Amino acid sequence: EVQLVQSGAEVKKPEESLKISCKGSGYSFTNYWIGWVRQMPGKGLEWMGVIYPGDSDTRYSPSFQGQVTISVDKSISTAYLQWSSLKASDTAMYYCARGSYYDFRDAFDIWGQGTMVTVSS
Amino acid sequence: QSVLTQPPSVSGAPGQRVTISCTGYSSNIGAGNDVHWYQQLPGTAPKLLIYANNNRPSGVPDRFSASKSGTSASLAITGLQAEDEADYYCQSYDSSLNTSQFGGGTKLTVL
Repeated sequence: EVQLVQSGAEVKKPEESLKISCKGSGYSFTNYWIGWVRQMPGKGLEWMGVIYPGDSDTRYSPSFQGQVTISVDKSISTAYLQWSSLKASDTAMYYCARGSYYDFRDAFDIWGQGTMVTVSS
Repeated sequence: QSVLTQPPSVSGAPGQRVTISCTGYSSNIGAGNDVHWYQQLPGTAPKLLIYANNNRPSGVPDRFSASKSGTSASLAITGLQAEDEADYYCQSYDSSLNTSQFGGGTKLTVL
């Protein structure tokens, strides 16, 4: 079964750092783009960026460039989303999702279950 | 603020047909970039409903269809069922912004 399993919910304080993960299984992890999507409480979906595990080619939305870091460890089929200094406005559900094997603009066909990040003093 | 505009809400009675529009610009839908549609049931992760304008992944009922014309796209749901009550999102790449974007989402209520 093709699936993406994300790390568990996090509660952090402002200015703390955080790295959440997304582990793929059931397919050739290195050959498909992996994306991250933010959903703030009660709001819509926001495309954050994608990474190609095969060569770590990464594309960010201008809205998230410089605010987060997307990375991957292909040896363990895991993608990451990282913050160096969290803000209260980072409170949201974060989803990872699998893109296509040849174009980062393609649809996300498999989604993780989501990781809830709460930032509060 | 997304460059893809969806109506905040639509509604229909069981058995009826509803459509959800996704209006873009010449830099995204109008540039020939593909449009994808997702369904998000309450409290769950989004699910791919339509990819590349009008293609259904395996397992998606043929009650769901989509089309694209000019700078707009639309999702149609026929034979509306209570289980279709969800949020629906369109997605497309914007060549000017160099990023993909989702529409603001449309809440479908089955009356």
